Amino acid sequence: ELKVEQNPLFLSMQEGKNYTIYCNYSTTSDRLYWYRQDPGKSLESLFVLLSNGAVKQEGRLMASLDTKARLSTLHITAAVHDLSATYFCAVDGGATNKLIFGTGTLLAVQP
Amino acid sequence: DAGITQSPRHKVTETGTPVTLRCHQTENHRYMYWYRQDPGHGLRLIHYSYGVKDTDKGEVSDGYSVSRSKTEDFLLTLESATSSQTSVYFCAITPDRGLPHEQYFGPGTRLTVT
Repeated sequence: ELKVEQNPLFLSMQEGKNYTIYCNYSTTSDRLYWYRQDPGKSLESLFVLLSNGAVKQEGRLMASLDTKARLSTLHITAAVHDLSATYFCAVDGGATNKLIFGTGTLLAVQP
Repeated sequence: DAGITQSPRHKVTETGTPVTLRCHQTENHRYMYWYRQDPGHGLRLIHYSYGVKDTDKGEVSDGYSVSRSKTEDFLLTLESATSSQTSVYFCAITPDRGLPHEQYFGPGTRLTVT
């Protein structure tokens, strides 16, 4: 059974600081997805990582995938308050287009 | 905008009553999904569909049924609502042409069972 773990579950950080969110998964997969959710809102796709070594960047966020280690990271550079949200990773669950989601990381960026 | 709507957006119902949630898409994509979101659990798949009348169970399907009689609509029914089904329900689609397995989500339905 595919399991996806994120850590930390909650991250309080100051503006201007850097930090990394980790996403580990339990079985082989070459595809990993990052989503953002603002409070009371739906999920918004951030990054799609489709192969080992894939790296995607947008603004202050950079995501990478190491399929051999079964690990993806979401790195936050010089955090700003607007990045406060819950971030989810999800792993391709197989042939039926299913995604298995992590429990999410609640990021709170303090001024 | 993936053209996904959900109705109702909020609902309060009593234990034991049947409830149907609707997901509607405008693009006629094959794959549609129903998730529930609860604190500490992330999103968990309830049921999914890969075409009209083609559906399958997800990891938390007990107490739920689905139907898809038209490509654009995917209905989730709680046969007899229980308090443990209080949750936020999200519908999602995978575009037929797009990045593999990427999903786009509807706005959600907040369901409270009293």
